[in-house]
Amino acid sequence: QKEVEQNSGPLSVPEGAIASLNCTYSDRVSQSFFWYRQYSGKSPELIMSIYSNGDKEDGRFTAQLNKASQYVSLLIRDSQPSDSATYLCAVSEGDMRFGAGTRLTVKP
Amino acid sequence: SAVISQKPSRDICQRGTSLTIQCQVDSQVTMMFWYRQQPGQSLTLIATANQGSEATYESGFVIDKFPISRPNLTFSTLTVSNMSPEDSSIYLCSALAQSNYNEQFFGPGTRLTVL
Repeated sequence: QKEVEQNSGPLSVPEGAIASLNCTYSDRVSQSFFWYRQYSGKSPELIMSIYSNGDKEDGRFTAQLNKASQYVSLLIRDSQPSDSATYLCAVSEGDMRFGAGTRLTVKP
Repeated sequence: SAVISQKPSRDICQRGTSLTIQCQVDSQVTMMFWYRQQPGQSLTLIATANQGSEATYESGFVIDKFPISRPNLTFSTLTVSNMSPEDSSIYLCSALAQSNYNEQFFGPGTRLTVL
């Protein structure tokens, strides 16, 4: 069974802090890695994708991938209350597998 | 990216009836998917909607209960048949963008309540 594991949280950080979200996966042949943000009552929104080892930055978001450790993370700098949502990690090697999501709360 | 719309956005249905959910993509896509999401839970893939052939169902989902159509490269429907309260959920359509990056985009979802 191919697994994508996330800490379900909830993760609570103060406004302005760095939020760190982590994800591990079991299938070594996975090629594509994604982070989705899902606000309550809304559908998932793709916010980051990463395909090679290292860091990828987009605004306040940084995705980090370590294929040797089968680990992908998302850092959110200068966290804002509007970042409060559930963040889903997804891994694809053809078909996409989703983690259960980490609920993030950013407190003003 | 792909812009995806779904109809209806929500519905309340009686036990034993069926509901068909429509999904429209603003561009041609090779692969479309149907997911179910219970409140507070992650996404569960129901099936992959294949254009010109039968859908590919995940374990635990069968065609008689969830018939799917995919008449062209921009449109798909999911029917939830002979509904029971256990079918109450959010149903999400998604599509694989036409690129080399395997990016998947989601429609707004259909919130189904079965009484």
